[in-house]
Amino acid sequence: GAGVSQTPSNKVTEKGKYVELRCDPISGHTALYWYRQSLGQGPEFLIYFQGTGAADDSGLPNDRFFAVRPEGSVSTLKIQRTERGDSAVYLCASSPTGQGRAFFGQGTRLTVV
Amino acid sequence: GENVEQHPSTLSVQEGDSAVIKCTYSDSASNYFPWYKQELGKRPQLIIDIRSNVGEKKDQRIAVTLNKTAKHFSLHITETQPEDSAVYFCAASGDLREKLTFGTGTRLTIIP
Repeated sequence: GAGVSQTPSNKVTEKGKYVELRCDPISGHTALYWYRQSLGQGPEFLIYFQGTGAADDSGLPNDRFFAVRPEGSVSTLKIQRTERGDSAVYLCASSPTGQGRAFFGQGTRLTVV
Repeated sequence: GENVEQHPSTLSVQEGDSAVIKCTYSDSASNYFPWYKQELGKRPQLIIDIRSNVGEKKDQRIAVTLNKTAKHFSLHITETQPEDSAVYFCAASGDLREKLTFGTGTRLTIIP
């Protein structure tokens, strides 16, 4: 596709449930990032993939959060036992090489009720 | 880790005037500094970026300046227009640390 695509655009889930958020990067981009943006704040880094491997997962807040990119393209962010504090917009970005220009998707707005 | 501070948090400018947003960073190893524009409910859009081997970069009405010694960089928008109204984020990243560290954003309002 022309840009980074994220699905779903909105997700409402009950506290304690499991959710998966999907990111389809720009074709050919080897680097993929997940960020989380709370209301009125800048995006906060979660995890970075170079190809299939997680090159930096230092931003994942705890072990309830996990992300995969098995074929080096589409990535899935997985959140177990969701909590109300997980409510935020989850942004995905991709970059041709990882050195610089990152292009964002429109985000998934996650609401935990 | 890297820390990016951004000022002001809100800025109102008369249409046609200039707007300046400033950021400071803490990690002297950072070498890439992009600026993103985010309209309400939309994705952050890259509007301009600069690398540490350059002191200034301009693209039409938008310019970015970088002072490596002082560890600060600024966004300048000239001849502002109503469509410039948005939240602007600065960010920084380094060679071996690919993640972007963002500032807290500046809400820019252009007054017609």
